[in-house]
Amino acid sequence: QLQLQESGPGLVKPSETLSLTCTVSGGSISSSTYYWGWIRQPPGKGLEWIGNIYYRGNTYYNPSLKSRVTISVDTSKNQFSLKLTSLTAADTAVYYCARDNGGYGFDPWGQGTLVTVSS
Amino acid sequence: QSALTQPPSASGSPGQSVTISCTGTSRDVGNYNYVSWYQQHPGKAPKLMIFEVSKRPSGVPDRFSGSKSGNTASLTVSGLQAEDEADYYCSSYAGSNNLIFGGGTKVTVL
Repeated sequence: QLQLQESGPGLVKPSETLSLTCTVSGGSISSSTYYWGWIRQPPGKGLEWIGNIYYRGNTYYNPSLKSRVTISVDTSKNQFSLKLTSLTAADTAVYYCARDNGGYGFDPWGQGTLVTVSS
Repeated sequence: QSALTQPPSASGSPGQSVTISCTGTSRDVGNYNYVSWYQQHPGKAPKLMIFEVSKRPSGVPDRFSGSKSGNTASLTVSGLQAEDEADYYCSSYAGSNNLIFGGGTKVTVL
């Protein structure tokens, strides 16, 4: 059974860079069928797609975040990662990683990790 | 790209049906068959219920169905059960490798 697990700091200071990693278990990140994505959800609010990556490194980003986002993949570790720069309080959210079935349907999801941006 | 429009809330009694709408534009919902629906219980990660407008992942009850007409997609939950009480989100491919979500609908089982 495929499982995803986010890891990273829970508290980051404004203007700094957030780094999160998603570890995939129970399956290979190098599957030709799937993409891998990051989605976030501010407390009490809706979902926002951040971006996707293919195991070969092809990336697609939300235009509203593109200037601050980098997603990378490490197939040797079965992991993919998110970097988000120039953080503000508006970036406070639960960050989820998930597998994209190729048609922008995300399944399964990680449990999510709350990231708070505060000094 | 604006978010898709969903009603803030919907409700129904056990056994009844409830339908949630997701309205976009001709640049997203109306132009692609990549509409998905997610169920989210409080404090939990979203769960995929429908993808590509009307397809159900393995394990999702057939009480859940999806459809699309023009720029509006819909999720119908038939035979409402207490466990269906949750937030529901739609998403749609919006072209140029971009994905947008709806604002979410809280479904209450009366």
